[in-house]
Amino acid sequence: DIQMTQSPSSLSAYVGDRVSITCRASQDISHYLAWFQQKPGKAPKSLIYAASRLQSGVPSKFSGSGSGTDFTLTISSLQPEDFATYYCQQYIRYPLTFGQGTRLEIK
Amino acid sequence: QVQLVESGGGVVQPGRSLRLSCAASTFTFSDYAMHWVRQAPGKGLEWVAVISYDGSNEYYTDSVKGRFTISRDNSKNTLYLQMNSLRAEDTAVYYCARDLGEATVPVTWGQGTLVTVSS
Repeated sequence: DIQMTQSPSSLSAYVGDRVSITCRASQDISHYLAWFQQKPGKAPKSLIYAASRLQSGVPSKFSGSGSGTDFTLTISSLQPEDFATYYCQQYIRYPLTFGQGTRLEIK
Repeated sequence: QVQLVESGGGVVQPGRSLRLSCAASTFTFSDYAMHWVRQAPGKGLEWVAVISYDGSNEYYTDSVKGRFTISRDNSKNTLYLQMNSLRAEDTAVYYCARDLGEATVPVTWGQGTLVTVSS
């Protein structure tokens, strides 16, 4: 199975900051990488697929980059509603696998 | 707006069975692959299974192979997960999700149903 490792596991930031979360795959996954946001008690929300393509309705403050084994999710101008847990997921091969998550907290 | 509503969760003893359902509406269910993803209490997301739009192909994560079966009834716009030989480590919120279509990504999720395996 392809292992997905996110860093950091948790992150504190101020409203208005720009932050980046990294996701590393245990093997080359080309651009087959998605990002999700999850708030407490809620279902995950799809943000990005194909490493950098925004899902419909997702604001452009979210951006994704990378290919191969190293990927980044960047969130600009943090707002209170952005504080959540973020997951990456590879979909080049079954079983689909998620990273362990990055918890983004307000400082 | 895509709507997915899971049901069938509850408390079940180890070794017993449970069937989850996911009722879909407001989109053409038979056009899309469907996923089950679970989340143990306080833990991260774990993909469980996917079924193709017509039910002809299924894939599972290793920990549920031979115990869980994903299926669908396109005439009823409903997705199922038959869970047999349940274990304590199967305790989780189970989400159904619609596939994006152009990518194997669970793009729209239901609200989840909690399965607790305990004696």
